[in-house]
Amino acid sequence: ETGVTQTPRHLVMGMTNKKSLKCEQHLGHNAMYWYKQSAKKPLELMFVYNFKEQTENNSVPSRFSPECPNSSHLFLHLHTLQPEDSALYLCASSQDVWVSDGEAFFGQGTRLTVV
Amino acid sequence: ILNVEQSPQSLHVQEGDSTNFTCSFPSSNFYALHWYRWETAKSPEALFVMTLNGDEKKKGRISATLNTKEGYSYLYIKGSQPEDSATYLCAFLNNNNDMRFGAGTRLTVKP
Repeated sequence: ETGVTQTPRHLVMGMTNKKSLKCEQHLGHNAMYWYKQSAKKPLELMFVYNFKEQTENNSVPSRFSPECPNSSHLFLHLHTLQPEDSALYLCASSQDVWVSDGEAFFGQGTRLTVV
Repeated sequence: ILNVEQSPQSLHVQEGDSTNFTCSFPSSNFYALHWYRWETAKSPEALFVMTLNGDEKKKGRISATLNTKEGYSYLYIKGSQPEDSATYLCAFLNNNNDMRFGAGTRLTVKP
């Protein structure tokens, strides 16, 4: 148990659906992240939030829309996804963004399948 | 382009063997290197955060070294146990706040 909780653990959605992934941490961390892991590829950073403000968007398509209402919660809203968006989506948090000795704490991920 | 390479891609060892694997990263604009262990169906878990050239860190039977001038880090496991079976990820962070993960080394330790 890392202190970072993601729901749901598994999600199957159609290309016309709208769904949201949720991430929650009560570690008192100020930074939260969304990562994507596609099959046989390294983890890819999608979004970074620091003190609820988005500080990084790594050229992610607009069909992925993050939301960070407070430092403890992070959402990823999904709409009109493509089958190639099927992947494991991981949330992480750290005390602050990219502090040199700051490790990240990861959730267990949401396994997303787009049909 | 930040290229973070891990080798080997996968590794099978017998219980009790010692093993090591490599993470290669750009030698310029270094800020930090992280090692994570990711067991199947669990969350990636931080092992080490390394920041200084020549750093050596140890946690139980696992240790890591860092060479920022030549751009590599080694992870060593002494006397591997089946519970060490996992994917080991390294992540490179540069001075531009750019973080890249390697694809991981998948270790299987056979009893």
